[in-house]
Order: sequence, then C-alpha cells, then structure tokens
Amino acid sequence: EAGVAQSPRYKIIEKRQSVAFWCNPISGHATLYWYQQILGQGPKLLIQFQNNGVVDDSQLPKDRFSAERLKGVDSTLKIQPAKLEDSAVYLCASSLGQLFNEKLFFGSGTQLSVL
Amino acid sequence: LAKTTQPISMDSYEGQEVNITCSHNNIATNDYITWYQQFPSQGPRFIIQGYKTKVTNEVASLFIPADRKSSTLSLPRVSLSDTAVYYCLVGDIDGGSARQLTFGSGTQLTVLP
Repeated sequence: EAGVAQSPRYKIIEKRQSVAFWCNPISGHATLYWYQQILGQGPKLLIQFQNNGVVDDSQLPKDRFSAERLKGVDSTLKIQPAKLEDSAVYLCASSLGQLFNEKLFFGSGTQLSVL
Repeated sequence: LAKTTQPISMDSYEGQEVNITCSHNNIATNDYITWYQQFPSQGPRFIIQGYKTKVTNEVASLFIPADRKSSTLSLPRVSLSDTAVYYCLVGDIDGGSARQLTFGSGTQLTVLP
C-alpha cells in the first residue's frame, strides 16, 4: 500500500517569499491533516480536512497560511508571505476517518528553511 | 483537552526492556491512548493504542491502570534502531465532529550499545 506522499522534500526561501507544499494521502482516506513541527517540538496541528471540507483550522495563522483540498484527495498548503519563524517541517497525515481511535499515517514531511 | 506529561529523555542499553510512562490526569471517558514513534527526518508512526488494561502487539505493550490517569509503553529488548522520539496522545472529541490530536514534546529514547 502506498503511503502519504509529500513534495518537495526540502525548500529554502527568503522571508516575505511565498511557498507551497503538496500532499497526496493514502487512497480512500477521507481525513487529511497538516502539521507544523518546529525543531525539538512535537507536531502541531494546523488544519484538518474531512473530504474537501475544513473540520478544524483553529491553529492555522490565516493571515499568511492557506490550505485547500480540492476534490477531497490531494491537498496544498501555502504560506504567503513567509516569516523566519515559519522554518519547520510541514507534515501531512491521513486517516480513514476522524475518530480518535483511527491511525494516522504520516508522510516524510517538507523541511522549510526561511532565511 | 486532555494534557499529557512524559519524561523528556531516557537512555537504555541494547537488549533491555524500556518502559515509558505518560501521565494524563484529565483523561475523558471516551478517550483512547495512542503512542507514536518518530525517527529523524520522518513523520510519526503509529505504535500501539489502548483504552484500558493491557494491549500487546508485535512491537510493544501498553499498560493502562484502572483509573486510566497514566499509561506505560513497554518496549521489550530494545535495539539501536529503537532510538527515536515517542509520543503519547490522548484523544479529545469536540462535539463529535472534530478531534484535537495533540502531540506533546515526546520522550527521546536513546539506546546505547
């Protein structure tokens, strides 16, 4: 079974530039998550989709971050404009549904460096 | 939102059994306890999940006392490849439609030769 695919693997940009990350979840998984993981910390949930609808985006900095999941499959996360503190690994995860006792499957993440 | 507390780090030697305890004093009746493992440059990976008593799979065991205010992840006979960060998560169902899957800082386990 193919896992969660993310690209790019690494990205280096200057502050105030824009960047986008792409995620393809496991086939059939209705729920998709974007997490931000700063070095030395646990992943922090940014946004959760159920199919193509947003379930929770309470921790998404909406003045600069946006995300979409067209057709309930692939998803993109965008930062515009980037700040130095956005340097982190951005992880995408998916699960069959949104019950807590369902496993999350994570991709390898995109490591973003903002200079 | 159920909060978890874990040791920041632990060291062990190859072949030993490692027990990592997680405290979750305000766990709710419907909450499950889940553990994830994360290697450098990878996303977290599901290890084990339980609700009460003991759960065992091919990788680990999870012990949950009757009051469910804590849980212990047990890794039998660890090897160098078990060096990773281990996260304890407790679920929170908000209105039945969304869940807050919150990761703490985890426990860095270092297995020494």
